[in-house]
Amino acid sequence: GDSVTQMEGPVTLSEEAFLTINCTYTATGYPSLFWYVQYPGEGLQLLLKATKADDKGSNKGFEATYRKETTSFHLEKGSVQVSDSAVYFCALDDYKLSFGAGTTVTVRA
Amino acid sequence: NAGVTQTPKFRILKIGQSMTLQCTQDMNHNYMYWYRQDPGMGLKLIYYSVGAGITDKGEVPNGYNVSRSTTEDFPLRLELAAPSQTSVYFCASLSGGRARGRDQPQHFGDGTRLSIL
Repeated sequence: GDSVTQMEGPVTLSEEAFLTINCTYTATGYPSLFWYVQYPGEGLQLLLKATKADDKGSNKGFEATYRKETTSFHLEKGSVQVSDSAVYFCALDDYKLSFGAGTTVTVRA
Repeated sequence: NAGVTQTPKFRILKIGQSMTLQCTQDMNHNYMYWYRQDPGMGLKLIYYSVGAGITDKGEVPNGYNVSRSTTEDFPLRLELAAPSQTSVYFCASLSGGRARGRDQPQHFGDGTRLSIL
């Protein structure tokens, strides 16, 4: 069945560092791919999405490109801030929803 | 602009008690979901619904029940609380008709933090 695998955390960075969180997927169809972010004490909220191969989703300085050839959707941000500290979830929708385990990111001032 | 609202936010139960976690959405979404999130783990689907009057089991349904009498509400019932049900519970909704697309994101509530002692 469909599944999502994302890099294990926790990840600790200094402010202004480069962040990348790896995400790979397996799917039988042509899923849409999502990154969600969960701030402490809150629910998940959509960060960005891509609906077909080679699409790039972007939001709040984060980017991810839908790579069908490598079945990947890695999340990147060039310069993180303390406010980016959160748990990040990669997810896919192929008429069935699948989530990765989440990666905890802590950014230190 | 309420979105998905969950109540209560926190609850402590004794083993064997029962309770209902409430979830309501004001976006007229057909699809609704209940997940549990255990520490350091991802989301596990408990139950879902594709519309009023229709519910189905997810991957971890044991010990839970749901109903969907209206489009807006999707309550989750714990009948005999057990320590293994200590978790954070999230309700989510998704727009779409009978043949929904795959490009719509889920909208999540802020969660109910449940401890069973």
